[in-house]
Amino acid sequence: EVQLVESGGGLVKPGGSLRLSCAASGFTFSSYSMNWVRQAPGKGLEWVSSISSSSSYIYYADSVKGRFTISRDNAKNSLYLQMNSLRAEDTAVYYCARSRYGDYDFDYWGQGTLVTVSS
Amino acid sequence: DIQMTQSPSTLSASVGDRVTITCRASQSISSWLAWYQQKPGKAPKLLIYKASSLESGVPSRFSGSGSGTEFTLTISSLQPDDFATYYCQQYNSYSSLTFGGGTKVEIK
Repeated sequence: EVQLVESGGGLVKPGGSLRLSCAASGFTFSSYSMNWVRQAPGKGLEWVSSISSSSSYIYYADSVKGRFTISRDNAKNSLYLQMNSLRAEDTAVYYCARSRYGDYDFDYWGQGTLVTVSS
Repeated sequence: DIQMTQSPSTLSASVGDRVTITCRASQSISSWLAWYQQKPGKAPKLLIYKASSLESGVPSRFSGSGSGTEFTLTISSLQPDDFATYYCQQYNSYSSLTFGGGTKVEIK
């Protein structure tokens, strides 16, 4: 069974940093592109970042470019999102999502972790 | 960036109704479109990919159609479990993925 479990969310002050993790199991992690998608309270879904299976290709939404860094450790079956210079508008539930093999729709999602940026 | 516009934003319907949700892309995305269902407090669930392919395990009352810039998600006979918010997502431009604003399906 495919499982994605996020962790690392919490309350952080504006300008602060946070690192999210996503532990994957039930599939060959090193074969799949992975993604972060977020959802602000009461709002819609927003794609944040994608990373290819071997980390060769990395993409970011303009809203986080230069502040967030996506990475993965295939030996540990883990995906990460380093978030720096956090702003109030980064407050959201952050989901880890697997890309369908060879495509960029999202066939499995984690349960999400809440990041709150507030003083 | 490719903009995705869903309509309506809210839809009131009864059990058994046929429901159609529309998603329009600001430029052609071929058939690179997915539909998701999200219930409150839960992660989204993939329903349809490549515009019309039904994800494994998803009931056949869900169907998708369209190509280019206009797409529809149809629920042939609305069930109590289907009251939720639905999102489209384009993945033609995989360096900049975008979602529609969502359509909330409410009980009439």
